[in-house]
Amino acid sequence: DAGITQSPRHKVTETGTPVTLRCHQTENHRYMYWYRQDPGHGLRLIHYSYGVKDTDKGEVSDGYSVSRSKTEDFLLTLESATSSQTSVYFCAISGAGDRGLSGANVLTFGAGSRLTVL
Amino acid sequence: GDSVTQMEGPVTLSEEAFLTINCTYTATGYPSLFWYVQYPGEGLQLLLKATKADDKGSNKGFEATYRKETTSFHLEKGSVQVSDSAVYFCALRNTGNQFYFGTGTSLTVIP
Repeated sequence: DAGITQSPRHKVTETGTPVTLRCHQTENHRYMYWYRQDPGHGLRLIHYSYGVKDTDKGEVSDGYSVSRSKTEDFLLTLESATSSQTSVYFCAISGAGDRGLSGANVLTFGAGSRLTVL
Repeated sequence: GDSVTQMEGPVTLSEEAFLTINCTYTATGYPSLFWYVQYPGEGLQLLLKATKADDKGSNKGFEATYRKETTSFHLEKGSVQVSDSAVYFCALRNTGNQFYFGTGTSLTVIP
């Protein structure tokens, strides 16, 4: 997956518990993103980062927080998980000079983390 | 705000049939446009892209042309194969390096 690893790949947890998903990249790309994928909604942006300690909210950020203390790591935290946060979470990276079909910035995705909140 | 709308699925085709998946976008400025493909149990992979009006992206027999006048980026393939069965996502990247995705179109190709 082009130097992106997500952990854990699968997690089952109970309502009210905290959960942290980790995204690690070895590409030294500036931009990192967290998306969630749900049937009928496609991919929706949760949070993104444009550099170390620089983050911003996406369209579905409520109930989620992120941190980026190093270029290579982008953490997504659910402070108190709810059943509506059951989803597949994808991390993605983007940066100038990405490998891809040619030229401009593209998104490269991790393999996903499936979270089930009971 | 910026957004992408693509045709609803699922789409079922026979092998060697012609494929079109419609995609239109709303964006300020001049976005880059992409098609991504997701195979079962995997993350999304870039299929093709176009960065300016009238550009044609192509890969693996798939094509899409950036039409600014109709704000469209329709995906086409002349002869689909069983191995093309997947979910296809249209996406745009705006000038702030934010990416927006359509809801995805599931394609099943039957022998």
